[in-house]
Amino acid sequence: GQQLNQSPQSMFIQEGEDVSMNCTSSSIFNTWLWYKQDPGEGPVLLIALYKAGELTSNGRLTAQFGITRKDSFLNISASIPSDVGIYFCAGYNNDMRFGAGTRLTVKP
Amino acid sequence: DGGITQSPKYLFRKEGQNVTLSCEQNLNHDAMYWYRQDPGQGLRLIYYSQIVNDFQKGDIAEGYSVSREKKESFPLTVTSAQKNPTAFYLCASTPGQGWYGYTFGSGTRLTVV
Repeated sequence: GQQLNQSPQSMFIQEGEDVSMNCTSSSIFNTWLWYKQDPGEGPVLLIALYKAGELTSNGRLTAQFGITRKDSFLNISASIPSDVGIYFCAGYNNDMRFGAGTRLTVKP
Repeated sequence: DGGITQSPKYLFRKEGQNVTLSCEQNLNHDAMYWYRQDPGQGLRLIYYSQIVNDFQKGDIAEGYSVSREKKESFPLTVTSAQKNPTAFYLCASTPGQGWYGYTFGSGTRLTVV
């Protein structure tokens, strides 16, 4: 199936720092989505993007749908301890494909 | 409140046994999915169902079976044919088109002992 390459695999940051992660694919997607998974729980949808070039914010989170439709980016500003978790990108055409996730650790 | 419920949260199975994981939703969603999650890997699709009494294999269906007798319920059976069943299993649902994003349950952690 279509592969999504998500990077970095893990990040260790200090509280208050900004975070950037991205997701790339060899295939075009019509929808890009970002999820967050807390330990031992299911993923929760953060942001959905529907148009190439679209930039969407949700509080301190900002995500972009790449112009080529083959990539997407997620930024978190002024990180706080509760941002800890695994962030997954997903691309959707007729089915949903997930990246392997970025594990974020925030040190107080 | 509407949501998707998975049970049990933790499940232990002896080798050679079949076990069934429950997934129930009251969101009136048409489509339901089962994913397997292993450390360091993305979510891999096991089975999905878009309407009652119909389901399709995903990427890793071998050793698993499902049923969809009711719109609200999509149980997953992990059979003894599944060689490496220890994993975190996630159930998800969506109204019908995935571009809305999926609603996930809180998962079942299965351990073979």
